[in-house]
Amino acid sequence: EDQVTQSPEALRLQEGESSSLNCSYTVSGLRGLFWYRQDPGKGPEFLFTLYSAGEEKEKERLKATLTKKESFLHITAPKPEDSATYLCAVQVDRWSGNTGKLIFGQGTTLQVKP
Amino acid sequence: GAVVSQHPSWVICKSGTSVKIECRSLDFQATTMFWYRQFPKQSLMLMATSNEGSKATYEQGVEKDKFLINHASLTLSTLTVTSAHPEDSSFYICSARDREVSGGEQYFGPGTRLLVL
Repeated sequence: EDQVTQSPEALRLQEGESSSLNCSYTVSGLRGLFWYRQDPGKGPEFLFTLYSAGEEKEKERLKATLTKKESFLHITAPKPEDSATYLCAVQVDRWSGNTGKLIFGQGTTLQVKP
Repeated sequence: GAVVSQHPSWVICKSGTSVKIECRSLDFQATTMFWYRQFPKQSLMLMATSNEGSKATYEQGVEKDKFLINHASLTLSTLTVTSAHPEDSSFYICSARDREVSGGEQYFGPGTRLLVL
């Protein structure tokens, strides 16, 4: 069964304290892995797409990496405005075809204290 | 770029009434749109995949007669919750794929909060 698991469920950091969020996946044929940020009461905001093991992408204080079994979202020197829920999602070959259907993890809620 | 809007942003209705939610891609054309619902402190649950000009594909356990989806153009999809009941109260979010982009990115709307009394 295709599965996406994110850890930890919740993470509290002090401003400037770097850390990583984990997204483990078990799927039969990965087409793409996506990271989103969601603020309370809002829709998810697209961050990154990763397609193959070894790929890395960066945006400001965020860096996403991908292996054959998991992805990490590294947050360097976070600020309070980075507080949000970070969602990981995978697109699977055999399900998606051309539709782009995603399987989401449960998310990691990050709180950065000043 | 890649902006998706939803209307209304929130709605309160009486039990038994129907509610229509619109999802629009503002600066791109979307052959495929998706409808999700999200309960408090939970992740997104895909309800259905909507393809322009064809019938929607519903996920297992989602009642197609209760959640009517129409994708009449490349920029608009609608979700109608028919005969709404309190258990339908939730946060409904749509997303869209840009037909010009080969990647699988979905761009999400801001969501619609539905409260059924």
